Amino acid sequence: NAGVTQTPKFRILKIGQSMTLQCTQDMNHNYMYWYRQDPGMGLKLIYYSVGAGITDKGEVPNGYNVSRSTTEDFPLRLELAAPSQTSVYFCASSAPGTDTQYFGPGTRLTVL
Amino acid sequence: GESVGLHLPTLSVQEGDNSIINCAYSNSASDYFIWYKQESGKGPQFIIDIRSNMDKRQGQRVTVLLNKTVKHLSLQIAATQPGDSAVYFCAETPTGANSKLTFGKGITLSVRP
Repeated sequence: NAGVTQTPKFRILKIGQSMTLQCTQDMNHNYMYWYRQDPGMGLKLIYYSVGAGITDKGEVPNGYNVSRSTTEDFPLRLELAAPSQTSVYFCASSAPGTDTQYFGPGTRLTVL
Repeated sequence: GESVGLHLPTLSVQEGDNSIINCAYSNSASDYFIWYKQESGKGPQFIIDIRSNMDKRQGQRVTVLLNKTVKHLSLQIAATQPGDSAVYFCAETPTGANSKLTFGKGITLSVRP
C-alpha cells in the first residue's frame, strides 16, 4: 500500500489565485482529514470527512472547500489564495473505530 | 492546548540516555491518546497509542504512560538514538468525535552524539 499520498509537494501561488491540493489513500479508510501546520506550531484541523459525500468543518475552515466523491480522494480547494494561507498542509485518514490517523507527506504552499 | 510563540520547547539528551517527553491535556472526556513523531520535511508518523482503560503501554524502545487523575501523558524513549531527533506531538480524542484529534504543542527532541 502507498498509504496517504499528496500532490503537489510544493507550490507557490500569487494572491487571488486558486488551486486544489490532492489527497488519495489506498487503505479503504472511511475517515479523512485536512490539517494545516504553521511554523513552530501544532496541527489545526481544516475539514474532515467520515465517508464519501459527507464533509464537515474543522477548527479553521475559512478560505477552503472540500469534496469527497469517492472513498479514496479528498481534495482541498483554495479559491482566493491569501498570504495567511502560507503553510504546510497535511492530509490524513483513519478507519472507523480505530482513531489512529495516518498522514501524508504534506504540501508546502507559499502565497506571495 | 494551543501553541503560543514561534519556538517549540526543546529537550536535549545524550545519545544512549533515556528520554521523557511530557504532555498535558485538558479534556476530561478524552479516552484515546496517541504520540506522533515528525521529522523535518515529513508528515507526522504514528509511534504509540493508549486508551484510557490502561495506564501504561510498551512498544519497541518506547513506553507511553497515562495519568488520568492529573491529565498527563508521557512518552519514554529508551537508549535514545540520533534517529530519534524530531518533533514529537501528543494528541487526544474522546469517543464519538469521529476520531478528530486535538494536537498538543510539539516538543523538539535533540540527541547529542
